[in-house]
Amino acid sequence: DAEITQSPRHKITETGRQVTLACHQTWNHNNMFWYRQDLGHGLRLIHYSYGVQDTNKGEVSDGYSVSRSNTEDLPLTLESAASSQTSVYFCASSPLGDTEAFFGQGTRLTVV
Amino acid sequence: GESVGLHLPTLSVQEGDNSIINCAYSNSASDYFIWYKQESGKGPQFIIDIRSNMDKRQGQRVTVLLNKTVKHLSLQIAATQPGDSAVYFCAENIPGNTPLVFGKGTRLSVIA
Repeated sequence: DAEITQSPRHKITETGRQVTLACHQTWNHNNMFWYRQDLGHGLRLIHYSYGVQDTNKGEVSDGYSVSRSNTEDLPLTLESAASSQTSVYFCASSPLGDTEAFFGQGTRLTVV
Repeated sequence: GESVGLHLPTLSVQEGDNSIINCAYSNSASDYFIWYKQESGKGPQFIIDIRSNMDKRQGQRVTVLLNKTVKHLSLQIAATQPGDSAVYFCAENIPGNTPLVFGKGTRLSVIA
């Protein structure tokens, strides 16, 4: 079955380190998204991509970057991890803009 | 599992009763709406969707109602079960090639 997977599921890192969270989908969806989820804030969009070589900033993009070198993967990089980036991160994909998005299981990142 | 949101609005219902979860959306031009369910430690999962040319759509035990006049969306769950306990999010699609916009969520707690 097609799916979307995130890795790792849990990560602890130190302040200032570069961290990359992986997202891989096998649906061949053009659209991919990264969200963070924090208490009281719901899902906030970090970055998104509508196809290979396309990337766009979301509402909370500072300190994060993404790259889209193929259809299947959208890795999220924290350039220099900060304690404020401790959160649960969700990746999602969708075939079109006005269709449902399918979510991964999430990555819990703790920055100490 | 992950704590999705300790400060979310909470709806407590007795097992077997019907639940109604409400959502006010932001943009009168939104043309597509989705309800997601998020269980502890998991990513959001699609429940039901509705397009703006409809005002009601039914699924298995769930019904979504759309009132475009007041920009209001509701999710009705019939005969609520303990397995329905989760956080529920509404999401809207704003035309113009933008990602889904998510509400902050409502926690549904089912009392056995």
